[in-house]
Amino acid sequence: DVKVTQSSRYLVKRTGEKVFLECVQDMDHENMFWYRQDPGLGLRLIYFSYDVKMKEKGDIPEGYSVSREKKERFSLILESASTNQTSMYLCASSYYYRGKGESTRYEQYFGPGTRLTVT
Amino acid sequence: ILNVEQSPQSLHVQEGDSTNFTCSFPSSNFYALHWYRWETAKSPEALFVMTLNGDEKKKGRISATLNTKEGYSYLYIKGSQPEDSATYLCAFILNAGKSTFGDGTTLTVKP
Repeated sequence: DVKVTQSSRYLVKRTGEKVFLECVQDMDHENMFWYRQDPGLGLRLIYFSYDVKMKEKGDIPEGYSVSREKKERFSLILESASTNQTSMYLCASSYYYRGKGESTRYEQYFGPGTRLTVT
Repeated sequence: ILNVEQSPQSLHVQEGDSTNFTCSFPSSNFYALHWYRWETAKSPEALFVMTLNGDEKKKGRISATLNTKEGYSYLYIKGSQPEDSATYLCAFILNAGKSTFGDGTTLTVKP
């Protein structure tokens, strides 16, 4: 079974702190994603990465950065946490395989989530 | 930001009822559509990956259809059971990486 793990289920940080959220997947997936989930707003993509050291902004990248030094690990960084970053953060991964001249689309596998509270 | 809309926002049905909900998405630049089930206190899990216009997928009592020309997908649940209670999310895949999720339809099935 695919396994996506996140470093913490619950995290409480103070405003201005630097926060690291870690995500690890064990299925050699090329793609990794960070989302946040807020009531009434669904899942919103913060950043994604399709290869080591590669990253692309999602829909709400402001206030966040990411790091992917190894294929299995994708970190989300809040340089200076603010109260409006209190949220549920979900990591996901998926295969990305381009074969026979056409990309194959694979579903995403999600981690358990980290509920971050910034006070 | 792409607009992926799901309706209704929530649904309450009795056990045994059949139900369906809608995901609408931009019809241009279609790449793939995913359906996920998200149960409380668990991670979202993929139900279907749909890529071709006219696709119909089925898993047990749950099925989905896809119309890429008009930009919608339907999810059907036949004979709903309490264990079907969850939030059902659709995700529009713009390319092999970027995805935009709808807000979800929350289904509650009463015994």
